[in-house]
Amino acid sequence: GDSVTQMEGPVTLSEEAFLTINCTYTATGYPSLFWYVQYPGEGLQLLLKATKADDKGSNKGFEATYRKETTSFHLEKGSVQVSDSAVYFCALRTQGGSEKLVFGKGMKLTVNP
Amino acid sequence: DAGVTQSPTHLIKTRGQQVTLRCSPISGHKSVSWYQQVLGQGPQFIFQYYEKEERGRGNFPDRFSARQFPNYSSELNVNALLLGDSALYLCASSKEAGTVNYNEQFFGPGTRLTVL
Repeated sequence: GDSVTQMEGPVTLSEEAFLTINCTYTATGYPSLFWYVQYPGEGLQLLLKATKADDKGSNKGFEATYRKETTSFHLEKGSVQVSDSAVYFCALRTQGGSEKLVFGKGMKLTVNP
Repeated sequence: DAGVTQSPTHLIKTRGQQVTLRCSPISGHKSVSWYQQVLGQGPQFIFQYYEKEERGRGNFPDRFSARQFPNYSSELNVNALLLGDSALYLCASSKEAGTVNYNEQFFGPGTRLTVL
């Protein structure tokens, strides 16, 4: 079945450090890929998405590129801030018209001043 | 505009009991999905409803059921609770469902269920 594997952490970084969170997937066809973020005490929020190979999603300084050849969608940010402390989830939506999302286990990021 | 709302915020039940969780979607959204998020894990899909009909079901036992009302709000019912049902239950709404393009899902804050 469809699945997502991502770095689990937890990870602690200093402010202005470079962030990479690895995500790989297994799916039939051409899934859409997403990064969701969950801030403390809040619901999941869509951070960025990509719907086809080589698409780059970007938002709030975060970027991720849909790499079909490596079945990956790694999240990157050049300079993290304390406000980026949250749990990050990689997810996919399979083809077929359903909005069902398949999530990875999530990675908790803490950014210290 | 109000986001997705869920009630109650927290709930404590004992094994064998039944529980009902409620969700109100964003105004204008016709689809509601339910997810279970066990501590330390990613959310797992339980159900999707669109226009009061079930459009998808995840790998959960028949103890889990749901319905959607004419105003598009939804209830998730879990019977014969087990300790392993302790989790954060998330509701998400989207404008439509089943289209080729992805209909963004907006998540509520969740209901924290503890089964003792």
